[in-house]
Amino acid sequence: QVQLQESGPGLVKPSETLSLTCTISGGSVSTDYWSWFRRPPGKGLEWIGYVSYSGITNYNPSLNSRITISIDTSKTQISLKLNSVTAADTAAYYCARRHTTGYYYLWGQGTLVTVSS
Amino acid sequence: DIQLTQSPSFLSASVGDRVTITCRASQGISRFLAWYQQKPGKAPELLIYAASTLQSGVPSRFSGSGSGTEFTLTISSLQPEDFATYSCQQLNSYPLTFGGGTKVEIK
Repeated sequence: QVQLQESGPGLVKPSETLSLTCTISGGSVSTDYWSWFRRPPGKGLEWIGYVSYSGITNYNPSLNSRITISIDTSKTQISLKLNSVTAADTAAYYCARRHTTGYYYLWGQGTLVTVSS
Repeated sequence: DIQLTQSPSFLSASVGDRVTITCRASQGISRFLAWYQQKPGKAPELLIYAASTLQSGVPSRFSGSGSGTEFTLTISSLQPEDFATYSCQQLNSYPLTFGGGTKVEIK
């Protein structure tokens, strides 16, 4: 059974870079598309961007200049880098797998990242 | 960007109640809409996709309808495990966007 697990620092200082990894177990990343989402405290979900199995990316324009999403097929990992973070980037971050129908049917448990000095 | 407006944002209901949540899109999105359930500290769970298709393993008390700009999620008989936050998501165009969420609490 395929499972996704996010990992990374729970605390990041303002202006620094947030780096998270999504590790896929029980399957390959060499198919499908993989997205990052986040939910700030008390707010709705937000799509951050996706990476395809071949490395094609598409980012939310609201974050575009600060994001890098990449894929490492040998390590079965997806990574997210968000630079120049502020308190507004405090959120639970999730990675998710897109089905061929286009819908996100498999999600990681999420990891909470707090931006604070 | 396509804006999704959910209503109500908060709902208090009893076990056994019929519950309906509405999601309105700022422009037509055909049937490219999904509904998710999320409990505190847990991942979102896909309930409905393509506006009305029940995801495998989801109880049949959940149903979705609508097309274009207006969609509904209905829970026919609310169960204790259904108390959670529900969110709609449009996949018609990028950037993907979500509604603000509806929190369903026990009356």
